[in-house]
Amino acid sequence: KAGVTQTPRYLIKTRGQQVTLSCSPISGHRSVSWYQQTPGQGLQFLFEYFSETQRNKGNFPGRFSGRQFSNSRSEMNVSTLELGDSALYLCASSLSPGDQETQYFGPGTRLLVL
Amino acid sequence: DAKTTQPPSMDCAEGRAANLPCNHSTISGNEYVYWYRQIHSQGPQYIIHGLKNNETNEMASLIITEDRKSSTLILPHATLRDTAVYYCIVRPRGVYNTDKLIFGTGTRLQVFP
Repeated sequence: KAGVTQTPRYLIKTRGQQVTLSCSPISGHRSVSWYQQTPGQGLQFLFEYFSETQRNKGNFPGRFSGRQFSNSRSEMNVSTLELGDSALYLCASSLSPGDQETQYFGPGTRLLVL
Repeated sequence: DAKTTQPPSMDCAEGRAANLPCNHSTISGNEYVYWYRQIHSQGPQYIIHGLKNNETNEMASLIITEDRKSSTLILPHATLRDTAVYYCIVRPRGVYNTDKLIFGTGTRLQVFP
């Protein structure tokens, strides 16, 4: 069974631009969560989607948004990029919300904002 | 903020058991102990979790002290592929708790030949 895939793997943007990251969950998984990982802040939860609905949201500004499609694939968008947005963005999928035992992470998208 | 304390690094010889400690003295009654690991350039990988009883799966064993204030992850026969950063986390289990996944600094385990 294929794992969680994220595209692109690496991205370089400049301040003020916007970016869209994509996540394809494991087949059959309907819950997708997004996290931001930085050396200083560790892993921080962004949001979680299940059945195309946002079920939970972390403490991030409105510049960070996401959505989920009917095939469970998810995208997250960051508008008006800031230098502090440079991070590894991780997507995790699971069968159902909060199902940690079946939560599998993708390899992440490393975003660098210049 | 992370609610766990782990040593920053450890070494282990290949084939030997790796014992990774974690202190979680402020753990609440409804919080489980979870262990994840992250290999360089990859996403975190779930390893094991437990509430108060010792647990074992195909990857590792988890020993939780009776007072639940500390635990030890045991990799019985470490291989070079086990070289990674290991994170110990305490969090409630169940729906709507995905936002409680807070990693600390973890322990960087280096397995050497």
